[in-house]
Amino acid sequence: AQSVTQLDSQVPVFEEAPVELRCNYSSSVSVYLFWYVQYPNQGLQLLLKYLSGSTLVKSINGFEAEFNKSQTSFHLRKPSVHISDTAEYFCAVSEGSPGGYNKLIFGAGTRLAVHP
Amino acid sequence: SQTIHQWPATLVQPVGSPLSLECTVEGTSNPNLYWYRQAAGRGLQLLFYSIGIDQISSEVPQNLSASRPQDRQFILSSKKLLLSDSGFYLCAWRGPGTEAFFGQGTRLTVV
Repeated sequence: AQSVTQLDSQVPVFEEAPVELRCNYSSSVSVYLFWYVQYPNQGLQLLLKYLSGSTLVKSINGFEAEFNKSQTSFHLRKPSVHISDTAEYFCAVSEGSPGGYNKLIFGAGTRLAVHP
Repeated sequence: SQTIHQWPATLVQPVGSPLSLECTVEGTSNPNLYWYRQAAGRGLQLLFYSIGIDQISSEVPQNLSASRPQDRQFILSSKKLLLSDSGFYLCAWRGPGTEAFFGQGTRLTVV
């Protein structure tokens, strides 16, 4: 069964500094991987996704994530963060198999706090 | 375009009272539907998912149940709420090979 581990519950960082939010998954088959962002008291919004093809995926607001099959990781990075990036970030996985696809499992989340 | 509606936005209920949260999706057919709970300071816990009408999978034994009486309607219920049922409940839908789209959530406080 698939599972997701987000290694950092909180990441404080100064504005304009780089950041990496770590995500590792566990699955014995091919996977789909996602990063979502949540602002206070709101639902989740998709940030970026890996379904197949290029292992480096990018969002429109400067985030990127790289799928590393050998390390079973999908870390999220941004070279320069803004105050507005302060939010909770969730990594999620579902399996590519027809039966495993239906379950979408999330990690515990990482709270990114950007300070001026 | 597809939209997802979830209501109410906030709810305060006494211990032992029943619960019914509703989620509906527009603009798509035969979606996968999900209920998640987010407790304070914790991640998203998958409660139920459904791949079709009356086809519900339960992920965690608990005081809650789910039903899908129509293709685009997903209901989360409880007969008697517990204090531990408090949290932020999120409904989501998903098509084949795509990401999930979330509702705005319901903040449930059991008092």
